[in-house]
Amino acid sequence: SQQGEEDPQALSIQEGENATMNCSYKTSINNLQWYRQNSGRGLVHLILIRSNEREKHSGRLRVTLDTSKKSSSLLITASRAADTASYFCALTSGGSYIPTFGRGTSLIVHP
Amino acid sequence: KAGVTQTPRYLIKTRGQQVTLSCSPISGHRSVSWYQQTPGQGLQFLFEYFSETQRNKGNFPGRFSGRQFSNSRSEMNVSTLELGDSALYLCASFEDRETGYTFGSGTRLTVV
Repeated sequence: SQQGEEDPQALSIQEGENATMNCSYKTSINNLQWYRQNSGRGLVHLILIRSNEREKHSGRLRVTLDTSKKSSSLLITASRAADTASYFCALTSGGSYIPTFGRGTSLIVHP
Repeated sequence: KAGVTQTPRYLIKTRGQQVTLSCSPISGHRSVSWYQQTPGQGLQFLFEYFSETQRNKGNFPGRFSGRQFSNSRSEMNVSTLELGDSALYLCASFEDRETGYTFGSGTRLTVV
């Protein structure tokens, strides 16, 4: 099973700015999920986007999926200090529904 | 609805010992998956249990085992602990394959 690769590894921004992180992968997927993890805690599911979808929104979050480029992006608009966390993309592909996780993007939002 | 509950939150064990971790999924969720998270390897899938049967297994040695009870609660056991087993162990449950996982807060295992 394949693993997504997040980019950048780390991102530091000021409160109010937008944060964009990307996830690239190698072979076709069933769906792609984004999760957030606050320091040393469990992961929180943010958004799931299916392979036949191009964009999804949830509050200040916007996820896009470009299957031709095999990449997805997570945009957090008007970021807050509370958005400071690691963000992971997780893929399901082939006959497996078990998500495999990338290494994550560490986001720091300065107040 | 209560979330996924993992106990204990922290554990310190000595090399060679064994350990059992517990996970109670969200009520109604029959699938429970376990992941190991380390700084070096990231999040790695251990196994998934569904209706008391192991349905999927990751690439871990046989020292790692698990089980699921009729109430969907799951336990994970690691025998003959090694220093490299120090990690955050995360349990997750889901309602169906089209929804994301709900994770517990994890058990931080330190092997000394």
